[in-house]
Amino acid sequence: AQKVTQAQTEISVVEKEDVTLDCVYETRDTTYYLFWYKQPPSGELVFLIRRNSFDEQNEISGRYSWNFQKSTSSFNFTITASQVVDSAVYFCALSESNSGGGADGLTFGKGTHLIIQP
Amino acid sequence: EAQVTQNPRYLITVTGKKLTVTCSQNMNHEYMSWYRQDPGLGLRQIYYSMNVEVTDKGDVPEGYKVSRKEKRNFPLILESPSPNQTSLYFCASSTTSGSLIVYNEQFFGPGTRLTVL
Repeated sequence: AQKVTQAQTEISVVEKEDVTLDCVYETRDTTYYLFWYKQPPSGELVFLIRRNSFDEQNEISGRYSWNFQKSTSSFNFTITASQVVDSAVYFCALSESNSGGGADGLTFGKGTHLIIQP
Repeated sequence: EAQVTQNPRYLITVTGKKLTVTCSQNMNHEYMSWYRQDPGLGLRQIYYSMNVEVTDKGDVPEGYKVSRKEKRNFPLILESPSPNQTSLYFCASSTTSGSLIVYNEQFFGPGTRLTVL
């Protein structure tokens, strides 16, 4: 069974502060993929990043960065110099094969509601 | 334009009245999936399909049916809707290139807000 935990239900910070969203996952598989999605107030789901289990390099994209650590089963997301437009619900997700070697679905965490105050 | 479309976008119905929410993608994706989103519970997978005629249960399949007769379409059927199926539903698709793991980003539809009275 796979599981994704986003322990922070809601985070509120003032604009320009840095903020980190935590994601901890559980899997028995050695090959798996991790994702982050953003859901702004308008409701659509926007893909942010994908990481496979064999690539532990951290990634930076503008003000966004991701820290993948297999040792702690974490895939945390940091926004530097936050802006009001970053206000959204952010989801972490995990994809792996099932115990029978076949396909399995995608499991999302419950999401973190990020509020950036002006 | 590459997209996933869902219809209807909003639906209010009554308990027991069969309904179908359609989902269509124009990207020739193998993988399609249905999720429901509820406050405090995040996105939970209902059913998914790795290819035509291949479907499997997700985490919350009870009360739902799906079919995948064509690659582009993946309708969600509620044979006898109940109030606990009131939710926001998302369809998604992704390319897998034959892989058994969903390794690519999923493209999501705009969502269908369903209310069952």
